[in-house]
Amino acid sequence: DSGVTQTPKHLITATGQRVTLRCSPRSGDLSVYWYQQSLDQGLQFLIHYYNGEERAKGNILERFSAQQFPDLHSELNLSSLELGDSALYFCASSATGGNYNEQFFGPGTRLTVL
Amino acid sequence: DAKTTQPNSMESNEEEPVHLPCNHSTISGTDYIHWYRQLPSQGPEYVIHGLTSNVNNRMASLAIAEDRKSSTLILHRATLRDAAVYYCILRDVSYSNYQLIWGAGTKLIIKP
Repeated sequence: DSGVTQTPKHLITATGQRVTLRCSPRSGDLSVYWYQQSLDQGLQFLIHYYNGEERAKGNILERFSAQQFPDLHSELNLSSLELGDSALYFCASSATGGNYNEQFFGPGTRLTVL
Repeated sequence: DAKTTQPNSMESNEEEPVHLPCNHSTISGTDYIHWYRQLPSQGPEYVIHGLTSNVNNRMASLAIAEDRKSSTLILHRATLRDAAVYYCILRDVSYSNYQLIWGAGTKLIIKP
């Protein structure tokens, strides 16, 4: 158990809909990262928040947005969903944003868009 | 971003050592080498990281070539539980994004 929690575990929705994925980092971790993993592929970095502020953006679509709240939990909002958005979405946390800090990953949310 | 090259898959026998190679010929002096693994149906987990010197921890050892253009993750005695996809990742110390750039990884198959 990494200490990172993600809800829901599974999400099935229809095209055009909007969903929110939630992530609670390990206690004390200030950084939250979001990744997308499509079937049998590596992870694609989406966005990084540190202590409530956006630090970096990766390959995140304009239809996607995220935020980190004062209690450090984070939400990833996906709107106008398309079939291609079906994937595993992972959240990770680390103590700081440092390059030597390991990232702890949650179990992921499996999103299926029908 | 500096790239890494790993074999798509490798097989090993249980209880034997496993050497997972990674080539990173364009590595810069400020790149850390990180290894993560992803067990089936789970999120990735950190294995080990290093900069220049070889590193050991309870999970594995990391051997870094003298010119830093390649590295090898060593599992000293593989078990069935070590069957996973192993990712070799470079992370630039000076790069402000702090993100991990993932490749396709090596799928490690352990035969009983």
